[in-house]
Amino acid sequence: DIQMTQSPSSLSASVGDRVTITCQASQDIITSVNWYQQKPGKAPELLIYDASNLETGFPSRFSGGGYGTHFTLTITNVQPEDIGTYFCQQYGSLPLTFGGGTKVEI
Amino acid sequence: QVQLQESGPVLVKPSGTLSLTCTVSGGSINLHFWSWVRQSPGKGLEWIGYIQHTGTSSYNPSLKSRVRMSIDTSKKQFSLNLSSVTAADTAVYYCASVPPEMAYFDYWGQGSLVTVSS
Repeated sequence: DIQMTQSPSSLSASVGDRVTITCQASQDIITSVNWYQQKPGKAPELLIYDASNLETGFPSRFSGGGYGTHFTLTITNVQPEDIGTYFCQQYGSLPLTFGGGTKVEI
Repeated sequence: QVQLQESGPVLVKPSGTLSLTCTVSGGSINLHFWSWVRQSPGKGLEWIGYIQHTGTSSYNPSLKSRVRMSIDTSKKQFSLNLSSVTAADTAVYYCASVPPEMAYFDYWGQGSLVTVSS
């Protein structure tokens, strides 16, 4: 299985900050990474697909990048509504696997 | 827009079988891959497997010996059976859709908390 090591596990930010969440894959997966946002008590929501494509409905302050084994999710100008937990997910090979999550607090 | 709704028992006895059904509305069951994902405090998000309208399925090797998925296209439902459950199977179970030619979960059910306990 491909392991996705996500860091940090939690972070506290102030409104207007720029935050970066990282996922490290245990093997080369090119750009086969998606990111999800999960609000408390809700199901995850697709945020970024194919490493860098922003899902419709999310503001442009969210961006994704990376290639190979190192991937990032960046939130510029963090807003109060961005609180939640963020997960990466790889689809380089089955089984699909997720990172451990990053809880973002404001 | 696709909507998904899980249903099934919320309490299952150890060594029993966990059974959940997901009902699809607002879209065609013949287009997507239909998945189950679970979330527990100890193991985070875990992909259980997927099934297509043809019945073709793929399961996570970690659960493969205990998992069976099925689909009823006429009812627009797909189901999960997980046998020989233990407390480690206590989790929120989500059904989710994967669009054709893609590999992300675009729509999710609200989730169903299933507790394994006597």
